[in-house]
This record gives sequence, C-alpha cells and structure tokens, in this order.
Amino acid sequence: EPEVTQTPSHQVTQMGQEVILRCVPISNHLYFYWYRQILGQKVEFLVSFYNNEISEKSEIFDDQFSVERPDGSNFTLKIRSTKLEDSAMYFCASGGGNQPQHFGDGTRLSIL
Amino acid sequence: KQEVTQIPAALSVPEGENLVLNCSFTDSAIYNLQWFRQDPGKGLTSLLLIQSSQREQTSGRLNASLDKSSGRSTLYIAASQPGDSATYLCALLLYSGGYQKVTFGTGTKLQVIP
Repeated sequence: EPEVTQTPSHQVTQMGQEVILRCVPISNHLYFYWYRQILGQKVEFLVSFYNNEISEKSEIFDDQFSVERPDGSNFTLKIRSTKLEDSAMYFCASGGGNQPQHFGDGTRLSIL
Repeated sequence: KQEVTQIPAALSVPEGENLVLNCSFTDSAIYNLQWFRQDPGKGLTSLLLIQSSQREQTSGRLNASLDKSSGRSTLYIAASQPGDSATYLCALLLYSGGYQKVTFGTGTKLQVIP
C-alpha cells in the first residue's frame, strides 16, 4: 500500500539555523499538508497545499515558514531562524478532499 | 473558529468491552470528518473518513457516526482488544472556496486491559 514518507526521522539543529523537512506524498494525491505536534499537545494544522500553491495556512505559519514542491514528488517545509519553541514533531500528510488524509511517521525536530 | 473537543481525555476498559469515543465540534459547516489513532511516538493512522453527507462508516470492529446538526461524531469500538490501546483523534476538514483547513480534537487516550 502506498504511503507518505518523511525524512529525516530526527533532526537536531542549533537555534537560529534553518531546517528543511522533506516529505514524499502518495503519488496520485492532490492535497498536501504539514502539521505540528508539540510534545504532549494536540496536532496543529500549519498549511495545506494544492495545485502548486498554498491553499490555506494557520496563524502559526508565519514568515518563518515556507513550503515548496520543487520537483513534482517532494514536498518540503522550511523553517528559517529556528527558535526553541519550534521543537516538535512535524507531520506531512496527503489526500484530502474526498480522500482520507494519510500521514507520514513524522520528523522529530529538536532545537538546541 | 472551529473548536473540537474529545471526551473523555482518557479511558481504561477491560478487554472485550464495547466502547464509544466522542468528538464534539462547534461549526457544522464541515466537509468531512476523519478518525485516526496515534501510537506513542508514531504518526497518525487513518481509521475512518465520513463525508459531510454521510451518517456513518464502518470498518471491521469500528463504526463512526456523524451528526452535523448536533455537532457530534462518535467512534464505536466493538470487542476491544489490548492492541486497540492508543490515542484516538478526530479531525474536521473545512473546505470552502478552494481552501482547506483542518482542526484536530484533543484526543482520547484509550487503554484496554488484558
């Protein structure tokens, strides 16, 4: 069964550095999403992406964040000038619309 | 703003018991509702998807219902097993004018005792 894959599984970065989290969505899906889950808290929507552009973003998704689909298969989340509070699990998902969302296993981001 | 609440926050039941998990939401203008399970330190596994025009969906021992008028969805688990132990999350998809936004509930942590 096709699945969403995310890399790396764990990323450790110094505060102030930039990180890029990578995702390969399921190939025939049209909608892509990024979510964040701070340890012990609920899953929070960051952004949805459709037809090569942002469809919707939450108040969390400020100028520090950006998304890109550089080559038709990968879907990336870039976080610039990371802060301690950016430490969280970041999940990518694809599907949406009439299809269920399928999630990747997540990237654990640790900011030191 | 859509608020999604799941009660109870935690539930412990003996193996074999039937149980119901609840998901309440404030804005009934949803496109669909999806139930997930999350195992500790893992991603989310999709369980069931209910479109806004549907009333229920079934998969094996799981049955999910949706009542938009009352702002409620329930996940029924029949004959619970220790392997069902996980956190169960509901998520609402709003879809309007081409934009999509998803709101997750707070989750119910289920423990099934052998």
